[in-house]
Amino acid sequence: AQKITQTQPGMFVQEKEAVTLDCTYDTSDQSYGLFWYKQPSSGEMIFLIYQGSYDEQNATEGRYSLNFQKARKSANLVISASQLGDSAMYFCAMREGDQAGTALIFGKGTTLSVSS
Amino acid sequence: NAGVTQTPKFRILKIGQSMTLQCAQDMNHNYMYWYRQDPGMGLKLIYYSVGAGITDKGEVPNGYNVSRSTTEDFPLRLELAAPSQTSVYFCASRSIRPGQPGELFFGEGSRLTVL
Repeated sequence: AQKITQTQPGMFVQEKEAVTLDCTYDTSDQSYGLFWYKQPSSGEMIFLIYQGSYDEQNATEGRYSLNFQKARKSANLVISASQLGDSAMYFCAMREGDQAGTALIFGKGTTLSVSS
Repeated sequence: NAGVTQTPKFRILKIGQSMTLQCAQDMNHNYMYWYRQDPGMGLKLIYYSVGAGITDKGEVPNGYNVSRSTTEDFPLRLELAAPSQTSVYFCASRSIRPGQPGELFFGEGSRLTVL
């Protein structure tokens, strides 16, 4: 079974609208971390936001927020007031457990297209 | 601030050739990783290292080798290149600090084509 599932291959939104990118995860660990990365067409990987499994509040970073629903094992990224520069591939990733050095497991990504 | 530096950025190989992708970080991070990204797919872990002299296999290690002789450098060796190794390769590093997310810092990627 996939550890990280992103079911939306592509999403389309107009400028200034909000958009939610879905991410569900699968782990039996009590301690884990969830990350979102942005990959523009230039190819670099940009870290956006992080949510720890014990964090009670949803993480926020500027226009990005993470809608963390632990019981549903979902960690959706919400982008408010979309901008043309938000057009990119978005990856959800998970770190399982607390062991130092644990790699991140990535989903297949969602391509977001923002139009004017 | 260089961060994570990968070279080369682009390379075309013939089947059966070998090459090394270089990765260096200047953040004194203990943990380093190599991922590959195939079109329309997420990143898959090839190898990782938790410190100088310590490496371990990830999800897709076949056809690759790594070494970690220093904290800064983590080269990825491709032996006998095959078309299936055509991909974009990312090197990443991270540090573990209390209260910090421990996100990965990525290099810009190396696009490899095997013909």
